[in-house]
Amino acid sequence: GAVVSQHPSRVICKSGTSVKIECRSLDFQATTMFWYRQFPKQSLMLMATSNEGSKATYEQGVEKDKFLINHASLTLSTLTVTSAHPEDSSFYICSAMDFPPNTEAFFGQGTRLTVV
Amino acid sequence: RKEVEQDPGPFNVPEGATVAFNCTYSNSASQSFFWYRQDCRKEPKLLMSVYSSGNEDGRFTAQLNRASQYISLLIRDSKLSDSATYLCVVNIKGSNDYKLSFGAGTTVTVRA
Repeated sequence: GAVVSQHPSRVICKSGTSVKIECRSLDFQATTMFWYRQFPKQSLMLMATSNEGSKATYEQGVEKDKFLINHASLTLSTLTVTSAHPEDSSFYICSAMDFPPNTEAFFGQGTRLTVV
Repeated sequence: RKEVEQDPGPFNVPEGATVAFNCTYSNSASQSFFWYRQDCRKEPKLLMSVYSSGNEDGRFTAQLNRASQYISLLIRDSKLSDSATYLCVVNIKGSNDYKLSFGAGTTVTVRA
């Protein structure tokens, strides 16, 4: 099946620094990519939807200036957590779709971010 | 009201038992439906798509009821390896794009 690669899988950073997470579709062109956040024992929460070549659509309550999303090509989307704080510590997962509406979404392996 | 709601469980069942649970969705523009499985600290993985006529994959059976806006998942002859959180996922069509909405997950624990 299609593969989505997410990197890094784990990162620890200091408060105030920025962290970039990459999400790549390895064998298909992802017109749409999604970024989710999952806190312990909670469900996946959609943060934003990005379409290649256009601005991301952020969910209510998600600060677009803090969580910068770039989807510059059909195979790569990046999420940058700027000026990270301990409360940003979470599990971040990307997923990618090629041709909606019936296709499944393929998920990256997730990135566990710890801000100290 | 949440777009997708699931019974969180947990469902604790013995090996060999049958377990079933539902998921309701609120948006009638929902286009497609899926069950994903998520193991602890891992990414979700597709278990099965859900088709209007209902579909079966081995010990797993999924049903869709568009009139009542719910989908269901039934697991027969439960195995220890079925212990996981099962996520109901709905693909909703917006004006210009599609969005996947997730339920909070139903936790299933199969005991020996």
